[in-house]
Amino acid sequence: GEDVEQSLFLSVREGDSSVINCTYTDSSSTYLYWYKQEPGAGLQLLTYIFSNMDMKQDQRLTVLLNKKDKHLSLRIADTQTGDSAIYFCAESITGNNRKLIWGLGTSLAVNP
Amino acid sequence: GAVVSQHPSWVICKSGTSVKIECRSLDFQATTMFWYRQFPKQSLMLMATSNEGSKATYEQGVEKDKFLINHASLTLSTLTVTSAHPEDSSFYICSASHTGQGFTDTQYFGPGTRLTVL
Repeated sequence: GEDVEQSLFLSVREGDSSVINCTYTDSSSTYLYWYKQEPGAGLQLLTYIFSNMDMKQDQRLTVLLNKKDKHLSLRIADTQTGDSAIYFCAESITGNNRKLIWGLGTSLAVNP
Repeated sequence: GAVVSQHPSWVICKSGTSVKIECRSLDFQATTMFWYRQFPKQSLMLMATSNEGSKATYEQGVEKDKFLINHASLTLSTLTVTSAHPEDSSFYICSASHTGQGFTDTQYFGPGTRLTVL
């Protein structure tokens, strides 16, 4: 069935790069998304990548997609304390009534 | 662009009362809106999908008579929790997307509504 998996926790030092990984099972995904959720808040769209792309860069964010391995990653360069949040990976699947399949979220802790 | 608001941001009510939550897309037309529920330290659980002008499609296990969804316009959807009980206490989040040719179906989220039922 459809499934998206993420590691639950990641801890990095301020200024280092963070890499959050995600794997998915459905090969018919169209778009893959990264959302950020700060405590008590809604979800903020960070970036998305179309399934026929390998990489997308947006300022400090780099998304890599390995479609063969069904692996998606989000790299945050020069991680700051304000990046501490939960990061959700999600995929949209063709013909799925536009529903997203969600990972459980990776809690990123940035230590000064 | 793509701003979604929710109202109220938090609500406390007595058991047995009904609570209405509004979700608005402020700067785009939302052909599809989604309602999610999120428990502490957990991922999002999709409750229902609603397309403007038609009945909502509920996920398995979600009681449609308890969680009433109305999507009467391209900028507004409402979720009414009827006869709320303490187990309905949760964080409710809506999202909106503009579907169709030329759009990515990306979902934009509201800030969420914290419901506490006493």
